[in-house]
Amino acid sequence: DAKTTQPPSMDCAEGRAANLPCNHSTISGNEYVYWYRQIHSQGPQYIIHGLKNNETNEMASLIITEDRKSSTLILPHATLRDTAVYYCIVRSMNNAGNMLTFGGGTRLMVKP
Amino acid sequence: DAGITQSPRHKVTETGTPVTLRCHQTENHRYMYWYRQDPGHGLRLIHYSYGVKDTDKGEVSDGYSVSRSKTEDFLLTLESATSSQTSVYFCAISPGLAGSTDTQYFGPGTRLTVL
Repeated sequence: DAKTTQPPSMDCAEGRAANLPCNHSTISGNEYVYWYRQIHSQGPQYIIHGLKNNETNEMASLIITEDRKSSTLILPHATLRDTAVYYCIVRSMNNAGNMLTFGGGTRLMVKP
Repeated sequence: DAGITQSPRHKVTETGTPVTLRCHQTENHRYMYWYRQDPGHGLRLIHYSYGVKDTDKGEVSDGYSVSRSKTEDFLLTLESATSSQTSVYFCAISPGLAGSTDTQYFGPGTRLTVL
């Protein structure tokens, strides 16, 4: 799976949009971009994933650049409960049984 | 959230004692996984299962065994616990569908302390 690079930490004001970037310049054509987060002491939580089109669900939006070398996770109205470590992961098809590898992630601090 | 429960949620035990952790799912997913999470190491795969009675080793399987006698339950056993197995253990599940990226969903974790 391709390597990802994320800033180690970011701050965001409560109620504002949180934009978390991820670089994955070596991504290949059949690899998806996944986002998870881990709130302190809890299990990793799946957020969203996408291949090349932008995706949105009830939690977040995922914007993938046209060349697919980077992406941005957007939390439209961050709350204090969104404070967590956010992980960007690139994963290929047919990966069942393979370990999910979390890098360093971005520690997002949502401040009042 | 995916229907995954882990029990116990916290356990303190002594070196040399056997310990069994349970993962239970209500999603009827084919794959189940056991990870451990330690500071500085991130998440590491211990064992996984791809069906009833079908299991395989992960990255850090020494000292651990698993069993899956029903689709919904995946047990992790430490035959003789050691202090190095003090960790937070997460269970995960995934559908295991061919031609998909197979999203993994995680349970709430079990914090195990071996004294």
